[in-house]
Amino acid sequence: AQSVTQLDSHVSVSEGTPVLLRCNYSSSYSPSLFWYVQHPNKGLQLLLKYTSAATLVKGINGFEAEFKKSETSFHLTKPSAHMSDAAEYFCVVTGTGFQKLVFGTGTRLLVSP
Amino acid sequence: GAGVSQTPSNKVTEKGKYVELRCDPISGHTALYWYRQSLGQGPEFLIYFQGTGAADDSGLPNDRFFAVRPEGSVSTLKIQRTERGDSAVYLCASSVGGRGQTSYNEQFFGPGTRLTVL
Repeated sequence: AQSVTQLDSHVSVSEGTPVLLRCNYSSSYSPSLFWYVQHPNKGLQLLLKYTSAATLVKGINGFEAEFKKSETSFHLTKPSAHMSDAAEYFCVVTGTGFQKLVFGTGTRLLVSP
Repeated sequence: GAGVSQTPSNKVTEKGKYVELRCDPISGHTALYWYRQSLGQGPEFLIYFQGTGAADDSGLPNDRFFAVRPEGSVSTLKIQRTERGDSAVYLCASSVGGRGQTSYNEQFFGPGTRLTVL
């Protein structure tokens, strides 16, 4: 079965400093991996996706993630945090057939001025 | 165009009651998904429709939960004899494509229905 583990439940950064949200995955086959963001009282939004093409994936709002098969990791990064980045972030892997999404437990990103 | 909409946004009910949660997908999306997000957790898959049929209902926790999509558009999630443990945010998503697809089709999520069972 496919699963993801988000290593930090909370991450706190200052505005303008780098962001690193960590995710490890487990999959019995070559996975498709995603990061979703959830702002309070808003729907989940896709940030970026990895589907076996380039291992470095660029997403919206300056976020990137790198697929590392040897480390079974898919960490999310951003060079410089903005106040508007404060939200809950979910690392996600597809189940069989690409329809079912398997979510991690989430990482809450806090950004201070 | 309009995104996925869900009604009601909040539902408070008493233990043992029956509830229905509605999802209006993006027009033209043939695939529809229900997820449940408990407090402090990530969303968990419940059921997936391709057109009118439930292609995968492996995530439904028990037979108190049932979902329909009679005309291949709007879907209703039905919960019988609600229990306090059913309290959660119920999320709906829709996408193009579905069964037999060979790549991921982005799922677009609605804002959710927050269900509270007293």
